[in-house]
This record gives sequence, structure tokens and C-alpha cells, in this order.
Amino acid sequence: QKEVEQDPGPLSVPEGAIVSLNCTYSNSAFQYFMWYRQYSRKGPELLMYTYSSGNKEDGRFTAQVDKSSKYISLFIRDSQPSDSATYLCAMRDNFNKFYFGSGTKLNVKP
Amino acid sequence: SQTIHQWPATLVQPVGSPLSLECTVEGTSNPNLYWYRQAAGRGLQLLFYSVGIGQISSEVPQNLSASRPQDRQFILSSKKLLLSDSGFYLCAWNLDRKSIYGYTFGSGTRLTVV
Repeated sequence: QKEVEQDPGPLSVPEGAIVSLNCTYSNSAFQYFMWYRQYSRKGPELLMYTYSSGNKEDGRFTAQVDKSSKYISLFIRDSQPSDSATYLCAMRDNFNKFYFGSGTKLNVKP
Repeated sequence: SQTIHQWPATLVQPVGSPLSLECTVEGTSNPNLYWYRQAAGRGLQLLFYSVGIGQISSEVPQNLSASRPQDRQFILSSKKLLLSDSGFYLCAWNLDRKSIYGYTFGSGTRLTVV
């Protein structure tokens, strides 16, 4: 079983839609959770990070962590074509090791 | 501000040829440096990390090696490439391995071994 599972997509939505991206994980020791955005042929860039359970909002983006279910989500409101990218979730364990999901490819159609 | 440079952006190499990918960081001192490989559908795999000049830790035994000849320079090498070495190679840095923010990544090198 992989430490982090993420649906690869692709996910195709019309402009203005609400997007929900998700990851599940198996290690209950994960405390820090991150979302990276990766445009084609580029390196990932940090989008949001959260600690433990709860929600965090930044503009059109909301990150949600449910540790009881070992489930994290990234919501994008009013999605734009410029949001088209691959989104990777990442988590850090107590030994400072990071685990990445394989990424979900999102396509927002104008 | 800090920047990370990685080159080349794209590389096509024959099986059995050597490899050298270079990464440099500007605007900071004593960074932790990392080499990751990203394969389709498999996420990011940590290959090497370095906490200082000449200090290299390998996460996965393989056909590759890494070196850190200067504080802000990290090199990924191979003496003889295999087909399985194809992938997207990413250099990354942070100042603290305990960082909750993860890394800052370079723009990557797409390596195709033919």
C-alpha cells in the first residue's frame, strides 16, 4: 500500500466550477500537509500548507484535513483556465521525510 | 530573493552514456539540497539529499550518484545511463529539514534515455 494515494485524473471542469482534489494516506503520524501546483514542464510550487486537522483558506483555495479519516482535500472556487495544472499533495512524517502523491491533472476549460 | 537554477531543461542521451545534471541556488547560504525524480503516475521519489558540502545521503540505491562541490551547487551524475533512468529530475532546496513548508523546486530536467 502506498503511503499517499491520489487519483491521477485527468479532471476536466468548465471555467467557474468548484474543484475538489483529494488524497488519502495511511500513516497516522503525518502532521503537516501541503499542496503543490505543477504546470507542464515546470517544477512543483507550494500552494498551501496546513498543520493537523482543520481548514485553511487562501483566496479561492481552501485546504482541508480530516485526520480521523486520513483524508485531505483542496477546493478551488471559481476555477480559471490558469488553474489548469497538476496538483500534488504532500505530507511530512515525524522524521522530516516528505511523501508526495502522484498528482491529479486538472483541466479548466474556458 | 532566493532562486534555484537547473539545467539543462531537456536531455536525450543514449543508453550507456554518462550524465551530469547541475543545480545551483542563489540568495541563501547553507541550504539543504535535494534531487528528486518524478515518473509518470508514481509521484516524486527522493534520490539524494545534502546538508552541506561533501555530505550526501542516498535514499534509493541505483545507478546514479550525487555530489556537492560547493555550498550552493548540487550535481547528479551517472557513469552509464540505463533506460530506466528516464524521467523528470527535480532539484530542490530548503533551509531546515524540519521545514513544514517542504521545498522550493527548480524547473526540472526532462531526461530521455534512448
